[in-house]
Formats: sequence, structure tokens, C-alpha cells
Amino acid sequence: DIQMTQSPSSLSASVGDRVTITCRASQIISSYLNWYQQKPGKAPKLLIFAASSLQSGVPSRFSGSGSGTDFTLTISSLQPEDFATYYCQQSYSTPDTFGQGTKLEIK
Amino acid sequence: EVQLVESGGGLVQPGGSLRLSCAASGFSFSNYWMHWVRQAPGKGLVWVSRINLDGTSTNYADSVEGRFTISRDNAKNTLYLQMNSLRAEDTAVYYCAKPKDRGKMIDAFDIWGQGTMVTVSS
Repeated sequence: DIQMTQSPSSLSASVGDRVTITCRASQIISSYLNWYQQKPGKAPKLLIFAASSLQSGVPSRFSGSGSGTDFTLTISSLQPEDFATYYCQQSYSTPDTFGQGTKLEIK
Repeated sequence: EVQLVESGGGLVQPGGSLRLSCAASGFSFSNYWMHWVRQAPGKGLVWVSRINLDGTSTNYADSVEGRFTISRDNAKNTLYLQMNSLRAEDTAVYYCAKPKDRGKMIDAFDIWGQGTMVTVSS
């Protein structure tokens, strides 16, 4: 199985900050990397697919980059509604695997 | 509106069984592989199972292989997960999820249900 490792596991930031979360795959996955946002008690929401493609309806302050094994999710200017937990997921091979999550908290 | 609605969760004793359902609407259900993903309390997301368009091909996570069975009824636009020999470690919110693109076995999930809680405890 491909292991997905996110860093950091948690992060404190302020409204307006630029934030970057990283995700590393245990083997090359090309650009088969997706990012999700999850708020407490809610289902995950797709933000970015294929490493850098913005899902319809997602604000442009979210962006993704990377290929191979190293990927990043960037939020250019944090908004109050962005405080949540973020997960990466590889869709290169079965079983689909997720990172352990990064909890973004208000400083 | 594209929607997935799960049902069937609840409290079950270790060794017991439960059948989850996921009712789909707003998209051509029979054109998509469908998946189950679970999340234990306070933990991350874990893929559980997938099924192909006509129900003839299925895959499972090692942790549920031989105990869980995924199925679908395209006439009813409904996905199922039959869970047998349940263990405490199966306690989780179970989500059904739709892939972004038609016909793709592995893909990003663009639509998720609201989740249904399964608690395995005596």
C-alpha cells in the first residue's frame, strides 16, 4: 500500500495568513493526488484534484502543486471558514489511501 | 441536486451484523464505481470498499476482507454494505462516496454522503 504522510499534523494560524500543508507519498504517484477539507461533524469536501486542479465552487485562495511524491496545499489568505482538518488522498493505485490529516486551528 | 444519503447505522454487539444503505440521486448512478470510506471517532479517513458499474467486481481493504460485502441495485440507485462479524475496531462513521469521473475505478471523491455511525460494543 502507498503511505501518505502529511505535515504538520496541526497548525495554528491567523486570519489573513498564508498557509502551506505538505503531503508525501511513499512511492511515485504522478499527479494522482487530491485534497479534502473536513469540518467537525461533516463529510469531507473535495478541494483539489489531480494535484493542482481546483474543484468547481472552491475559492481561488486554495491551490495545489506537486508531482511524483511531494505535494502541497496552499491557502493564500486564511478566512475564518477555512479552519478545519485537511486530508490528502492518492488515487494512483488501490487501495486508495489518505494522509493522517492536518488540523488547522485559529491562533 | 447530486446527493448521497446513508442509513442503517446503529449500535451492534461484537460479532453481530449490520447492513448500510446509500441512496443516490441527481446523477447517473449506474455509470459510476461507488465506494465506502470510514472514519473512526477522532481519527482519519480510511477507504473500505469499492464496486464497479454493474456490481460484478469488488475490492476491499484488508481489514474488512471476508467480513464485509459491498453491493448495488442500479434499478433503485442504491449502494449497500453488509457488515458481518463486527469488531470494536469497526466503530466509525461510514460514508458512501462518488468518484468525480464516470467509469473510473480510482478517482477523487466529489460527492460524499452525510455519514452513518456504526458503534460496535457490548
